[in-house]
Amino acid sequence: SQTIHQWPATLVQPVGSPLSLECTVEGTSNPNLYWYRQAAGRGLQLLFYSVGIGQISSEVPQNLSASRPQDRQFILSSKKLLLSDSGFYLCAWSLDRGQETQYFGPGTRLLVL
Amino acid sequence: KQEVTQIPAALSVPEGENLVLNCSFTDSAIYNLQWFRQDPGKGLTSLLLIQSSQREQTSGRLNASLDKSSGRSTLYIAASQPGDSATYLCAVRPRTGGFKTIFGAGTRLFVKA
Repeated sequence: SQTIHQWPATLVQPVGSPLSLECTVEGTSNPNLYWYRQAAGRGLQLLFYSVGIGQISSEVPQNLSASRPQDRQFILSSKKLLLSDSGFYLCAWSLDRGQETQYFGPGTRLLVL
Repeated sequence: KQEVTQIPAALSVPEGENLVLNCSFTDSAIYNLQWFRQDPGKGLTSLLLIQSSQREQTSGRLNASLDKSSGRSTLYIAASQPGDSATYLCAVRPRTGGFKTIFGAGTRLFVKA
């Protein structure tokens, strides 16, 4: 069966510090991978998605970046965090090309102070 | 631009009551519509996926309907239980715009014992 992992679960970082959140998927090959951010009381906002190694599409211009160094690994990064980067970050995966469900990881809660 | 709206934002019901959650979307050109459940501080769990050619899906006490022409979906929960307390999110997969999934802000449900 497939599983998706995210770490860390919780992170408190000062403004201006770097960020690296990791997501890994097990039990499947060549998944589509997604990074979402969920602000308090709001819906999910798609940040990045990837259809293959090294292929990243950005949905929202911001100070965040994403990388996919391996088939089942997706990393969200920032060189300098802003207060507005605080939120709940969710990684997800899916198969096929748009008609199947997305499976979500447990999320990382980021607080930038 | 596709927008997804969920009403009500919050709902409190006594145990055993049947209830309906509403979701509306502005563009009927979609691949599918999904209902997710999110427990506090957790990731999303897929409940039901309705393809654009389908009108409803059922799983246990849950039934989701889709009226693509009117841009509406409902999630019906029968005989609600305290364990159903969570936030329920509706999401559509547009036929345009790549792999973006558009989420509503969710309905927060509380079932009182």
